[in-house]
Amino acid sequence: DAGVIQSPRHEVTEMGQEVTLRCKPISGHDYLFWYRQTMMRGLELLIYFNNNVPIDDSGMPEDRFSAKMPNASFSTLKIQPSEPRDSAVYFCASSRGGTGFRGYTFGSGTRLTVV
Amino acid sequence: AQSVTQPDIHITVSEGASLELRCNYSYGATPYLFWYVQSPGQGLQLLLKYFSGDTLVQGIKGFEAEFKRSQSSFNLRKPSVHWSDAAEYFCAVGQNTGNQFYFGTGTSLTVIP
Repeated sequence: DAGVIQSPRHEVTEMGQEVTLRCKPISGHDYLFWYRQTMMRGLELLIYFNNNVPIDDSGMPEDRFSAKMPNASFSTLKIQPSEPRDSAVYFCASSRGGTGFRGYTFGSGTRLTVV
Repeated sequence: AQSVTQPDIHITVSEGASLELRCNYSYGATPYLFWYVQSPGQGLQLLLKYFSGDTLVQGIKGFEAEFKRSQSSFNLRKPSVHWSDAAEYFCAVGQNTGNQFYFGTGTSLTVIP
């Protein structure tokens, strides 16, 4: 298996622009998680899906952030409009049957820089 | 509420020396405990995990961790550190219900020759 695949690896954009981050989870995994990592706040859970349905989006910082999972093999995290404080590394992770038993498999992340 | 504390922000060890990274958790029931490693510019890789049974668990890359319920700890150890072990290490606790995962703030490991 190729693991969790995220694209792009790096994204530099201007403030106010729309940014879309993409994630392909491991085949057969029914949970998908989006995390944000910054020096100040560490790893923050933004949202997670179970069987393509958003379960908990309480970590999404603002209405500027939205996430979708149209099918079991693809998810997007969109920021519109982007701001410099959104600069961070965004990780996608997937799991089979929930974290209690197996933990997550993480992607390599997308490093977002908003200038 | 569940939480994970990694009291050491940064640790420096000499190559070949032993290593212990501390992790304390707060959780009402038996936790599911994990250690992840993050190399620079990479995602998090699972090193090992504890669910139940033997309190000493072996992981990849020669790492092990011991679950001590009385101390609410799950410290990570390695007998002899290699330069390639330099990375950020995260302890995490999972629930047996629901799907929340709580990460510690991480410990950055530097290995000197």
